[in-house]
Amino acid sequence: DVKVTQSSRYLVKRTGEKVFLECVQDMDHENMFWYRQDPGLGLRLIYFSYDVKMKEKGDIPEGYSVSREKKERFSLILESASTNQTSMYLCASSHAGGYTFGSGTRLTVV
Amino acid sequence: SQELEQSPQSLIVQEGKNLTINCTSSKTLYGLYWYKQKYGEGLIFLMMLQKGGEEKSHEKITAKLDEKKQQSSLHITASQPSHAGIYLCGADADKLIFGTGTRLQVFP
Repeated sequence: DVKVTQSSRYLVKRTGEKVFLECVQDMDHENMFWYRQDPGLGLRLIYFSYDVKMKEKGDIPEGYSVSREKKERFSLILESASTNQTSMYLCASSHAGGYTFGSGTRLTVV
Repeated sequence: SQELEQSPQSLIVQEGKNLTINCTSSKTLYGLYWYKQKYGEGLIFLMMLQKGGEEKSHEKITAKLDEKKQQSSLHITASQPSHAGIYLCGADADKLIFGTGTRLQVFP
């Protein structure tokens, strides 16, 4: 089975900190995605990547950046964390239409 | 851009009852996914539908895609507390987009 691993289940960071959320998949998938999930808003796409060193903005990229230096790893970066970035962050990878999600990182910015 | 609307937003049912969750798309669906999410956890893949009129079942959960490929329903028969969670429909629109989810609670 494809495994998508997010490095932290829970994170608490201070306003203004630089935050890295890591996602690793073990099945050589080309496509990787970062979503955030908020009550009443569902899942919203932040960034996605179709290949190494390639990235595309999703629906809500403001305040975020990403890095894909290796095929298996897709990092989400909050350059200067703010309280409105408190959320559940979900990473996914896909190949030929099948999507697999990580277990999520619940980030709280205080 | 394509949008997915789910209804109802929230559902509370007694154990043993049947229930249906609907997902309506603003455009033709070329791949419709159903996921379940336990509170505070990641998404678990349930089913994928691609063809108009297609129906798939897994245990007590049945999903259908209508002939026009713009609406899908998820039906749970004889619900159990283990069915509780958030159900999300997703669609392939260059990238995977989601409905806002349906929160299901099942009480004994």
